[in-house]
Amino acid sequence: QSVLTQPPSVSAAPGQKVTVSCSGSSSNIGNNYVSWYQQLPGTAPKLLIYDNNKRPSGIPDRFSGSKSGTSATLGITGLQTGDEADYYCGTWDSSLSEVVFGGGTKLTVL
Amino acid sequence: EVQLVESGGGLEQPGGSLRLSCAASGFSFSSYEMHWVRQAPGKGLEWVSYISQSGSTLCYADSVKGRFIISRDNAKNSLYLQMNSLRAEDSAIYYCVRDIRVGAVNFDYWGQGTLVTVSS
Repeated sequence: QSVLTQPPSVSAAPGQKVTVSCSGSSSNIGNNYVSWYQQLPGTAPKLLIYDNNKRPSGIPDRFSGSKSGTSATLGITGLQTGDEADYYCGTWDSSLSEVVFGGGTKLTVL
Repeated sequence: EVQLVESGGGLEQPGGSLRLSCAASGFSFSSYEMHWVRQAPGKGLEWVSYISQSGSTLCYADSVKGRFIISRDNAKNSLYLQMNSLRAEDSAIYYCVRDIRVGAVNFDYWGQGTLVTVSS
């Protein structure tokens, strides 16, 4: 059971938009920055979003992040088949004094 | 180019020990916090341990506390994870990870991972 809660899967058609939610509490998302990671099959995770809503260089603006209260959301527009991957949210938990991740969300582009 | 290359994984019996290494290059290693993150086959990401730039501050997940020891050698641009009293549930790919900055969890570079299998 992960500290951060993500839907196990989401799906949408090519060209459409999808959102992935990440729910936590005041000890983690509520008072700390959230980051998002994309893991393509058989590869290491890759940073997509940091500090809630910032994109590292090289990440297209089709990817966006937001945070409100104790929840965070990853948005992906203009879906491509190459976006099929597992997506994870992560943050620091001040009560546990640990880094915590969501359980991961598998994106299927139909 | 930033590179993180893990080594030291393999098959070990329950109760045994392994030492993982991570060779860093392409950046000022001593300026960055570093972490180990693991992923069991078919499962999600699990944070294992953290070390500050100087090595003076260490943090561990409860699941490995008292059994694993993280360390670094800034002169050798290397990160280590000493894994003792291994259990079957420690079987996973172990990633060496760089954190962008102090005060936030922003893992901007990941190694390719090294596989640890604990089995008799």
